[in-house]
Amino acid sequence: AQSVTQPDIHITVSEGASLELRCNYSYGATPYLFWYVQSPGQGLQLLLKYFSGDTLVQGIKGFEAEFKRSQSSFNLRKPSVHWSDAAEYFCAVGLASFGNEKLTFGTGTRLTIIP
Amino acid sequence: GAGVSQSPSNKVTEKGKDVELRCDPISGHTALYWYRQSLGQGLEFLIYFQGNSAPDKSGLPSDRFSAERTGGSVSTLTIQRTQQEDSAVYLCASSLVEGSRRQYFGPGTRLTVT
Repeated sequence: AQSVTQPDIHITVSEGASLELRCNYSYGATPYLFWYVQSPGQGLQLLLKYFSGDTLVQGIKGFEAEFKRSQSSFNLRKPSVHWSDAAEYFCAVGLASFGNEKLTFGTGTRLTIIP
Repeated sequence: GAGVSQSPSNKVTEKGKDVELRCDPISGHTALYWYRQSLGQGLEFLIYFQGNSAPDKSGLPSDRFSAERTGGSVSTLTIQRTQQEDSAVYLCASSLVEGSRRQYFGPGTRLTVT
């Protein structure tokens, strides 16, 4: 069965510091990969997605992620975090079966930003 | 345009009662999904609707859970004889099946079973 692992439950970084959130997946074929962000009281917002092609994908709010097939990873990065980036981040794998794009999510990483 | 909307935003119910949660997808989106987010857990797929096809119910945790989608638009998730472990945030998403495959999520309904 396919699965997504986010090994870091909680990460704290200083404002202006760089960020990397880890995501590993287990899937038998080339996956569709997503990163979503959930701010307190807000719905899930798509940051970026990977379907095919260039393995480094750019997203909104200055985020990027790199698909590494050999490591089964899709880590999210940002060179300099802002206080507004404090939120919960979810990695997800899309399961394409006859057009059914149901997502399998990781358990999330909570990001705290300190001044 | 309008995004995915869900109602109610919060629902408190007593154990054993039935509840209905509503989702209004983005107009024109043919695919609709329900997910559950329990405290400390990731999001768990529940059910998927696509057009007139039979729904994918593979994620429903028990036969107390059911969902319908009327007219290819609004969907209702029903939980019968609620249990405390049903307490969670229930999220609805919609998408176009072709193209970007991006799912747009609603704000969720927070269900508390006392």
